Amino acid sequence: DQQVKQNSPSLSVQEGRISILNCDYTNSMFDYFLWYKKYPAEGPTFLISISSIKDKNEDGRFTVFLNKSAKHLSLHIVPSQPGDSAVYFCAAHRRGATNKLIFGTGTLLAVQP
Amino acid sequence: EPEVTQTPSHQVTQMGQEVILRCVPISNHLYFYWYRQILGQKVEFLVSFYNNEISEKSEIFDDQFSVERPDGSNFTLKIRSTKLEDSAMYFCASGQVSGANVLTFGAGSRLTVL
Repeated sequence: DQQVKQNSPSLSVQEGRISILNCDYTNSMFDYFLWYKKYPAEGPTFLISISSIKDKNEDGRFTVFLNKSAKHLSLHIVPSQPGDSAVYFCAAHRRGATNKLIFGTGTLLAVQP
Repeated sequence: EPEVTQTPSHQVTQMGQEVILRCVPISNHLYFYWYRQILGQKVEFLVSFYNNEISEKSEIFDDQFSVERPDGSNFTLKIRSTKLEDSAMYFCASGQVSGANVLTFGAGSRLTVL
């Protein structure tokens, strides 16, 4: 039961260009979405989040867009840097649940110098 | 910056053996979690723990698994009789408040069952 899907297992972009990572979800009860970044041999690290009542949240080089009608969110990184190379996980929280998160399968981003 | 600490970083065990994975959550956090990631797959929720009891568990968290907070600081995951399919990276996480909020994850404990 894949409630959160990241259909691109990998993405390669040039340094300085925009990286766009996509995430789709199926459960309309999700009320909060998060992006985590994970380096090898480390745990997931929180990057940015968005509430379902918003459609955009920006933090420096990172912007998350939410399209509720399409059940789609995306993470934009601009400009991309080599240090951004990592696995990016989309995660969602369901309204009324404990604060467990449901994760997607992740997208490996490689930023080429 | 406060962090979640996990030990051991890697454990190799024989099938059928008991394993205990340990976690020290962030000190003022009240909600504790275990997640796991089988190689190449997504990060999966196992269990959440609050006020010294399990608040939610997944279907993966069967009778072979247990959690406890024995001394107010450590949070442990025990697997009573490991199976080959328990081989995974196990992540501990903690959160400050209820509801949707940011969880802080540890670096993980890699369990290899032979």
